[in-house]
Amino acid sequence: GDSVTQMEGPVTLSEEAFLTINCTYTATGYPSLFWYVQYPGEGLQLLLKATKADDKGSNKGFEATYRKETTSFHLEKGSVQVSDSAVYFCALEGGGSNYKLTFGKGTLLTVNP
Amino acid sequence: GAVVSQHPSRVICKSGTSVKIECRSLDFQATTMFWYRQFPKQSLMLMATSNEGSKATYEQGVEKDKFLINHASLTLSTLTVTSAHPEDSSFYICSALRPGPSSTDTQYFGPGTRLTVL
Repeated sequence: GDSVTQMEGPVTLSEEAFLTINCTYTATGYPSLFWYVQYPGEGLQLLLKATKADDKGSNKGFEATYRKETTSFHLEKGSVQVSDSAVYFCALEGGGSNYKLTFGKGTLLTVNP
Repeated sequence: GAVVSQHPSRVICKSGTSVKIECRSLDFQATTMFWYRQFPKQSLMLMATSNEGSKATYEQGVEKDKFLINHASLTLSTLTVTSAHPEDSSFYICSALRPGPSSTDTQYFGPGTRLTVL
């Protein structure tokens, strides 16, 4: 079945540092890929997505590129802020139209001033 | 952005009792909602897909008689944990599917409900 593996946290960075959170996936067909963010006390929010190979999703300074050859969708940001502290989830939606999401375990990011 | 609420945010109950969790889409209509369960330091696991006006579709291994889902309106789905036991203690999260143009339907998530069964 479908699965998502993302780097385990927690990740602790200083403000303005470069961020990478690795995510790889296993899926049949051609999945769509997502990054969700969960701020403390809030629900998951869609951060960015990509629906086909070589697509780049971007939002709020975060980027991730759908790499079919390496089955990866790594999340990056060039300069993190304290307000980026949250849990980040990588997810995939398998081929078809049932909208079912398979999530990674989540990575806790803490950014210190 | 779209808003999805859950109620209650936390609930503590005694073993053997039933607990109802509500999921509401506040500013859009959702024919499809999803219920997830999250264990500590684990990923979200899809439990079931809730369809307005029809029976829910449960994932393999999820007891439908244990976790009753009712999607009675386009803005409300409920999950009832029947005869709860300590192993049902978990974080339950719902999402609502907001229709969009050109296959851009997006899931919007609620803040979750922490269930503790004593």
